[in-house]
Amino acid sequence: NAGVTQTPKFRVLKTGQSMTLLCAQDMNHEYMYWYRQDPGMGLRLIHYSVGEGTTAKGEVPDGYNVSRLKKQNFLLGLESAAPSQTSVYFCASRPVLAGVADTQYFGPGTRLTVL
Amino acid sequence: GDSVTQMEGPVTLSEEAFLTINCTYTATGYPSLFWYVQYPGEGLQLLLKATKADDKGSNKGFEATYRKETTSFHLEKGSVQVSDSAVYFCALSEKGGSYIPTFGRGTSLIVHP
Repeated sequence: NAGVTQTPKFRVLKTGQSMTLLCAQDMNHEYMYWYRQDPGMGLRLIHYSVGEGTTAKGEVPDGYNVSRLKKQNFLLGLESAAPSQTSVYFCASRPVLAGVADTQYFGPGTRLTVL
Repeated sequence: GDSVTQMEGPVTLSEEAFLTINCTYTATGYPSLFWYVQYPGEGLQLLLKATKADDKGSNKGFEATYRKETTSFHLEKGSVQVSDSAVYFCALSEKGGSYIPTFGRGTSLIVHP
């Protein structure tokens, strides 16, 4: 199992450019999440999905869109990048287990710089 | 709503020192509790977890006990190594219906030889 993978690993954008970050998981997990991590801020949830075809907003959704067309993939889009979106982005997935709140599995991260 | 409070870092120790990282929580229900570790340049990975009161999670010499009476889940290790240098995140996840875990802000641990 590859677990949770993210592409690309690094990216530099100019202000106003668009891009899509891809997250893929091969563990058949129902739940998937996108976080951003900034110094001193911990992890902040951008969007999440509780199943194929469903998405919901997290704590900091502005400037981002997501799609979950296939259960194993969760895409994060930036339509018009801004310097404030310079960050490290982490994807995570989690299984659904009856009566138990289980572990999240994280990808290795994408380091994005917006100039 | 739910919240997790961790001691601020960085925590700086010499090799073989005793480690405690404090974590307290507030929750509306009866959550599972987790410690995740993030090594430099990597994503978070589960270190240990506990799903009910008085449970002790343990892994790689680290331990934490779920204390419902004090709403705490403090992380301890008897003898740290340089390789333990990382950022440690305490987290909780409510059972039944809540999809979103709550994370603390993370505590950086630096271990010197």
